[in-house]
Amino acid sequence: DAGVIQSPRHEVTEMGQEVTLRCKPISGHDYLFWYRQTMMRGLELLIYFNNNVPIDDSGMPEDRFSAKMPNASFSTLKIQPSEPRDSAVYFCASSDSGLAGSNEQFFGPGTRLTVL
Amino acid sequence: RKEVEQDPGPFNVPEGATVAFNCTYSNSASQSFFWYRQDCRKEPKLLMSVYSSGNEDGRFTAQLNRASQYISLLIRDSKLSDSATYLCVVRDTGRRALTFGSGTRLQVQP
Repeated sequence: DAGVIQSPRHEVTEMGQEVTLRCKPISGHDYLFWYRQTMMRGLELLIYFNNNVPIDDSGMPEDRFSAKMPNASFSTLKIQPSEPRDSAVYFCASSDSGLAGSNEQFFGPGTRLTVL
Repeated sequence: RKEVEQDPGPFNVPEGATVAFNCTYSNSASQSFFWYRQDCRKEPKLLMSVYSSGNEDGRFTAQLNRASQYISLLIRDSKLSDSATYLCVVRDTGRRALTFGSGTRLQVQP
């Protein structure tokens, strides 16, 4: 069974450009999370969804960041316009809240974003 | 003050050594506790959950002290393959998201 899939794996862009990160959660999982990891701040939650509905977006840094989950198998995180301080690894994770699920969060391989 | 605090290390230990990592959390409403492992340039992966009574998984033992808001991880008979960053993780009551410590880096040397 495929794990969480993220694309692209690496993204290099210039300041001011729009960046879109994509995530496909594990099939059947009803929670999806976006995290960001930097050396200075470690791993931080940006936003999470339950059944495609945003539940907590308190970690989204500012209006330049937006996230959507149009269906159960796809989510996007968009940064517009991007800035050098957005450079980080962005992880998507999913989990299953069902009775048979362990609530463990499974992480994708991450997207390494560099904004020049 | 960070919600989850860990000693960043690095801990450099020889193969076969026993090593212990500690972690403190500030939110007394935290409900669930975990240790995740992260290899260099990889995603975090669950190592083990931490239960109030303490739990063991092979060479790994986790302990939780709710009164002191303290979590520990003990690794016995360290292997080269244990070299990684160990992340202390908590989940608050009523919330699904995880709060991560900054991680403790372990380097096991031959």
